[in-house]
Amino acid sequence: AQSVAQPEDQVNVAEGNPLTVKCTYSVSGNPYLFWYVQYPNRGLQFLLKYITGDNLVKGSYGFEAEFNKSQTSFHLKKPSALVSDSALYFCAVEYGNKLVFGAGTILRVKS
Amino acid sequence: DTGVSQDPRHKITKRGQNVTFRCDPISEHNRLYWYRQTLGQGPEFLTYFQNEAQLEKSRLLSDRFSAERPKGSFSTLEIQRTEQGDSAMYLCASSTLEMGDYGYTFGSGTRLTVV
Repeated sequence: AQSVAQPEDQVNVAEGNPLTVKCTYSVSGNPYLFWYVQYPNRGLQFLLKYITGDNLVKGSYGFEAEFNKSQTSFHLKKPSALVSDSALYFCAVEYGNKLVFGAGTILRVKS
Repeated sequence: DTGVSQDPRHKITKRGQNVTFRCDPISEHNRLYWYRQTLGQGPEFLTYFQNEAQLEKSRLLSDRFSAERPKGSFSTLEIQRTEQGDSAMYLCASSTLEMGDYGYTFGSGTRLTVV
């Protein structure tokens, strides 16, 4: 069955350090993958997507993600974290004409 | 067009009352989705429309829930006889089938609290 796993409930990183938020997926065929960010009491804000093409996808606010088909992963990365990056991050895969989401990872960036 | 709009942003209702939420999608998007998000969880799919046709409903969508998209524009989600377990954030999203603009745009959500 299609699914998305975000193995870390929370990621803590110091400001200025690189960050990684992990995501693995399980879906048949070629996956369409997405990352969204959610701030408190707000909707989901699109960060980036992988549809086809280069495995390294660049998105908003300096975020990027690498699609790895052999490891069925789509980890979100940023070279230098900002305190303002602190939020809830969701990975999603499209299946059956809709998005299936992971449980989310809280990112805390400390100054 | 400034994105997906949802109204109201917050709704507090007494158990047993009916509530209705509205979603206005991006005008050129032909697909519209409803999701429910409870605290600490990722969004869960409820239903989606392509134009005015409701193409899929999740088993999460009990008989007390109904969604419509008349004329393929805005959509409403109604919950009848609300229960405390209905308390959640209800998210609307729209998308297009155009590959150049492929993606899902979410609204800010309606937070429902049933007391």
